[in-house]
Amino acid sequence: AAGVIQSPRHLIKEKRETATLKCYPIPRHDTVYWYQQGPGQDPQFLISFYEKMQSDKGSIPDRFSAQQFSDYHSELNMSSLELGDSALYFCASSLGRLTYGSNSPLHFGNGTRLTVT
Amino acid sequence: QQQVKQSPQSLIVQKGGISIINCAYENTAFDYFPWYQQFPGKGPALLIAIRPDVSEKKEGRFTISFNKSAKQFSLHIMDSQPGDSATYFCVHTGTASKLTFGTGTRLQVTL
Repeated sequence: AAGVIQSPRHLIKEKRETATLKCYPIPRHDTVYWYQQGPGQDPQFLISFYEKMQSDKGSIPDRFSAQQFSDYHSELNMSSLELGDSALYFCASSLGRLTYGSNSPLHFGNGTRLTVT
Repeated sequence: QQQVKQSPQSLIVQKGGISIINCAYENTAFDYFPWYQQFPGKGPALLIAIRPDVSEKKEGRFTISFNKSAKQFSLHIMDSQPGDSATYFCVHTGTASKLTFGTGTRLQVTL
């Protein structure tokens, strides 16, 4: 079965550079979520999109932006990178927006490991 | 602010033993409690989930027990195997369209 595809798998950038992470959801999934996971930390919600519109916003820095395109893939754009941005970035997708009481599972990709030097 | 408190932070269990991970929550509005399993270098994956109108759910060697009055739920892994070594997160959906993860429990099953 097709899974969530993230690219690149690894990315090394210098401070103040920009980075773009891509996410291709499972076919027919219309909702995409972005999470950031620091070393030994739990995943922190950044932002989500449903039907190409922003659905919910978490602890996403102003230096980051994201969007969902017409083919439902999503991109996370990160500018003015800081050392603290080094983390695993996960994208997840679901069929339908996660709502209160919903038991729709989120399907996670294997992440992009971003290292800022 | 962490709305779900997970314990222990790490756990070492011998092969064949029982692994128990606990979560305590505060918000009674939560009504869906999934557990996610994460292997090193991989994304989290849904393991098992329960609703509070059910006190227990079992899937194979994995069982969730739910105590609504105590606002606690726990994951039991029976006959733990080395392949179960991973990080386990209790999760809640709350009232927003996102998953909020607990702090995680790193389980190591030894031979």
